[in-house]
This record gives sequence, structure tokens and C-alpha cells, in this order.
Amino acid sequence: DAGVTQSPTHLIKTRGQHVTLRCSPISGHKSVSWYQQVLGQGPQFIFQYYEKEERGRGNFPDRFSARQFPNYSSELNVNALLLGDSALYLCASSFAYEQYFGPGTRLTVT
Amino acid sequence: AQRVTQPEKLLSVFKGAPVELKCNYSYSGSPELFWYVQYSRQRLQLLLRHISRESIKGFTADLNKGETSFHLKKPFAQEEDSAMYYCALSGRGSSNTGKLIFGQGTTLQVKP
Repeated sequence: DAGVTQSPTHLIKTRGQHVTLRCSPISGHKSVSWYQQVLGQGPQFIFQYYEKEERGRGNFPDRFSARQFPNYSSELNVNALLLGDSALYLCASSFAYEQYFGPGTRLTVT
Repeated sequence: AQRVTQPEKLLSVFKGAPVELKCNYSYSGSPELFWYVQYSRQRLQLLLRHISRESIKGFTADLNKGETSFHLKKPFAQEEDSAMYYCALSGRGSSNTGKLIFGQGTTLQVKP
């Protein structure tokens, strides 16, 4: 198993645009979480999905949304991008008490 | 408010010296505490959790509920311990595992 995979690796967007980030969990993991990591800070929780249902949401505006598919993969969508959305976006899948992180998607908003 | 504080951005020690990475938390209820580590060019990964009481790679961490601290310790640092260390917490139970609150992280630099 390659572990948690994320795509794309990095991308550059312009203010006001929309972006979709994708995540595939480890096989057998039904829970997926999304985190935003701004340079110099720890990851900040955005969403958790379990069995295609939202199980938690962090303190992020409604411009951020996510969903989980029947195969447990997930998408994070961000609308009306702002410069402050520039960050590393991490996806993690969970089994029991442990989270397994992907390599992240580096988003730059210009 | 739920918060994790790591007061040191950078901790630099010599090989063989003791290491203590500080972590303080604020949480209403009984949290689960974790230490995650990120080595250079690798993914964030779990180092240890307080409930398991394990020693991983020589590191230990004791939960002090009175001081609301969960400091990470190692008696003799090795060069391969150089990495970014994050303290994190979640609510109890597997349903809360995916909602981690992280500290800002401490870079541990072990000099030869």
C-alpha cells in the first residue's frame, strides 16, 4: 500500500478562483480528515468524514467544503480563493487511534 | 478554549545530551494526547500517545493533568532525532481521532 495519496502535489491559483484537492485513504480506512498547514504553524483541522458523512468541522468559512465518496476517497473544495488560503493541505486517514498523513498539496494563491 | 502550546520553536542540543520538548494544553474534559514527528522529506507520523505509555525510539511522555502538560523526553539525543515535533490532542474515543488540535511545532536540532 502506498499510504495516503493526494493530488495534485502542488498548484497555483489566482484570487477568486476555485480549487479541488483530492485524497485517497489507505485501503480499509473509512475516516478521512483534512488539515490546513500555514508556513510556520501546526496543522489546523478543517473537516472529518466517516462513512461519507461529515463528523466534524473546524473553524473555517463556508468557502471550504468537502465530501467523501463510496470508495472512501475525498475531495476538499475551496471557493473564492484568498491570498490567505495559501498553505499546505494535508489529508489523513484514520484507523483506531492513529492518523496516517498524506504528503500534502501545496496551494499557492496569487 | 481548546489549545496546544509548544513554547519553543527551536531546540538545539548536542548528541548525547538530554532532550525535553515542552507541550502544554487547554481542554475541557479528558483529552487524548499525542506526539507526531516529521523527519526531513517524510510525512507526518505518530510517535507516541499517552494512553499506550510506550517508549518509542527512546522517547517517553508523561501526561501531567495538574499542570496540563505532556512533555516529550529522551535521555540521550541522537542525530537521527533531528526533526519537527508536534504535540496534539483530541477528544477521547476513536470517533475523535480524526479531529486533532496541533501545537505550532518544535524543531529539534541535534548537533554532532
